[in-house]
Amino acid sequence: DAKTTQPNSMESNEEEPVHLPCNHSTISGTDYIHWYRQLPSQGPEYVIHGLTSNVNNRMASLAIAEDRKSSTLILHRATLRDAAVYYCILRELNTGFQKLVFGTGTRLLVSP
Amino acid sequence: DTGVSQDPRHKITKRGQNVTFRCDPISEHNRLYWYRQTLGQGPEFLTYFQNEAQLEKSRLLSDRFSAERPKGSFSTLEIQRTEQGDSAMYLCASSFDRQETQYFGPGTRLLVL
Repeated sequence: DAKTTQPNSMESNEEEPVHLPCNHSTISGTDYIHWYRQLPSQGPEYVIHGLTSNVNNRMASLAIAEDRKSSTLILHRATLRDAAVYYCILRELNTGFQKLVFGTGTRLLVSP
Repeated sequence: DTGVSQDPRHKITKRGQNVTFRCDPISEHNRLYWYRQTLGQGPEFLTYFQNEAQLEKSRLLSDRFSAERPKGSFSTLEIQRTEQGDSAMYLCASSFDRQETQYFGPGTRLLVL
């Protein structure tokens, strides 16, 4: 599985935008970029995923670099509930079995 | 809410004892995964079921660990002769066929004394 690199931690103020970076320089053409987050004392939850184009959903936006070697998860207005560990994960397209390979993620701290 | 459920949520046991955890996936999901998470680390894959068949096991899953999914619905993870190194959060997730998203349960936190 291709590796991703994320900062250990980031801080934000409530109601400000947050940009969480992820580097994946060895990404292959069939790797999807997935983001999960894990709130304290909970299991991970899916946030968003994409292949080449930028993606938006109700939780976040995903901006993917043109060369796909990096991506950024964007939380448009951080809330205290967004304080969590955010994981950037690469998953190969259509290989059948699809385990998730987590790194250590980015711990996001949100201050009121 | 019909999400993934796990039981128990917490378990404290003494070294050498056996423990069993249960996972109930989302009802229509045919894929079920077990992960283990230690403090400060991301979850690590342990094993995977498609329906009742166990199709993949990580090398992390030693001979003391066994997982079953007898009727393709709920799953159990048993650890025999627990060791202090088994202390971790055990997470279960489920998904439907090749759907991209895995849905996780709240986890079972195991402490081995």
